[in-house]
Amino acid sequence: RKEVEQDPGPFNVPEGATVAFNCTYSNSASQSFFWYRQDCRKEPKLLMSVYSSGNEDGRFTAQLNRASQYISLLIRDSKLSDSATYLCVVSNTGGFKTIFGAGTRLFVKA
Amino acid sequence: NAGVTQTPKFQVLKTGQSMTLQCAQDMNHEYMSWYRQDPGMGLRLIHYSVGAGITDQGEVPNGYNVSRSTTEDFPLRLLSAAPSQTSVYFCASSYSDDGGDLGTQYFGPGTRLLVL
Repeated sequence: RKEVEQDPGPFNVPEGATVAFNCTYSNSASQSFFWYRQDCRKEPKLLMSVYSSGNEDGRFTAQLNRASQYISLLIRDSKLSDSATYLCVVSNTGGFKTIFGAGTRLFVKA
Repeated sequence: NAGVTQTPKFQVLKTGQSMTLQCAQDMNHEYMSWYRQDPGMGLRLIHYSVGAGITDQGEVPNGYNVSRSTTEDFPLRLLSAAPSQTSVYFCASSYSDDGGDLGTQYFGPGTRLLVL
């Protein structure tokens, strides 16, 4: 079993739709959680960190469920520019070893 | 600030050749790392460094060497290239947050390597 698992998609949604991605992790000692965005043939860039209480940044909401060991990303009012691959990232307590999920591909259509 | 820079952008090697992928950052980050990205596999950590003179292995270190003589530079050396090392290589740098955990990672633009 992979340490961090994501549904690879692709998710094909119309503009304005709400879409949600989940990511599960296997190491209960994991401490830090992030969502990164990667455009085609580009480097990953931080979308948002994920905090225990959940957090929101504009149209994006991230949630953490430690009991079930998953994190989620909700995108509201999808834009064409949201089309990208979304990477779930987990790192261990006090550690610098980060594990990336394989990513979920999102296509937003006009 | 240039952020994280990587050279070269593209490289073709023959099996058995060696080469060094360069990575530099100008953000005074103590943490630097190398990843490889293959289709369907996500990014996998090769080696990382938590400061000058300190390096450690990641998930897939075999066939690669690193050193960190300065805060700014973190080169990755392929000792004897193999076709299995065909991949996209990303370098990243980061700081540690107030709790000592990893903060945002800033990635370079990547090096696309083909080993024939």
